[in-house]
Amino acid sequence: GQQVMQIPQYQHVQEGEDFTTYCNSSTTLSNIQWYKQRPGGHPVFLIQLVKSGEVKKQKRLTFQFGEAKKNSSLHITATQTTDVGTYFCADLNDYKLSFGAGTTVTVRA
Amino acid sequence: DGGITQSPKYLFRKEGQNVTLSCEQNLNHDAMYWYRQDPGQGLRLIYYSQIVNDFQKGDIAEGYSVSREKKESFPLTVTSAQKNPTAFYLCASNQRRYTGELFFGEGSRLTVL
Repeated sequence: GQQVMQIPQYQHVQEGEDFTTYCNSSTTLSNIQWYKQRPGGHPVFLIQLVKSGEVKKQKRLTFQFGEAKKNSSLHITATQTTDVGTYFCADLNDYKLSFGAGTTVTVRA
Repeated sequence: DGGITQSPKYLFRKEGQNVTLSCEQNLNHDAMYWYRQDPGQGLRLIYYSQIVNDFQKGDIAEGYSVSREKKESFPLTVTSAQKNPTAFYLCASNQRRYTGELFFGEGSRLTVL
């Protein structure tokens, strides 16, 4: 099936700094969902992007869908210790979600 | 409270034994899914079901079996044919025609000794 590639695999961030994680595909994505999984927990839905060029914000999190619908990004500003976890993007296609490998975020206080 | 219940949370089994993981949802969702998660990897789809008495193979179905006799239940059997069964297994559900968010259970961690 179609694969989505996430970079970086690991992100070590100083508390208060910003960072961005990227989700890329070689083919056009139908829509993108983002999930967060805390250590020891299960994935929790964050957002869904459907339209080309779409930008959505949730407090310190900004999600973007590329104009060509081949990539997406998640930008977190002023990182906090509560942002620790693994962030997954997933492509929804034919009622199935295909997940990227995730970006695991650690925060230095 | 509506949600997805997976059991057991932790399971230890000897090599060569079949194991069945339970997944029950009271969200009235049509679609249910089983994913496998290995350290440092994303979620890989094992099986999914869009409706009762019907299910389809995902990307890594070999060595697994499922049934969907009731809307609320989607048990997964890890058979002895699965070569590397130790993993974290996640069950999820969503509405069939509303292609929105997946709701996940808390997962079952299987260790084969």
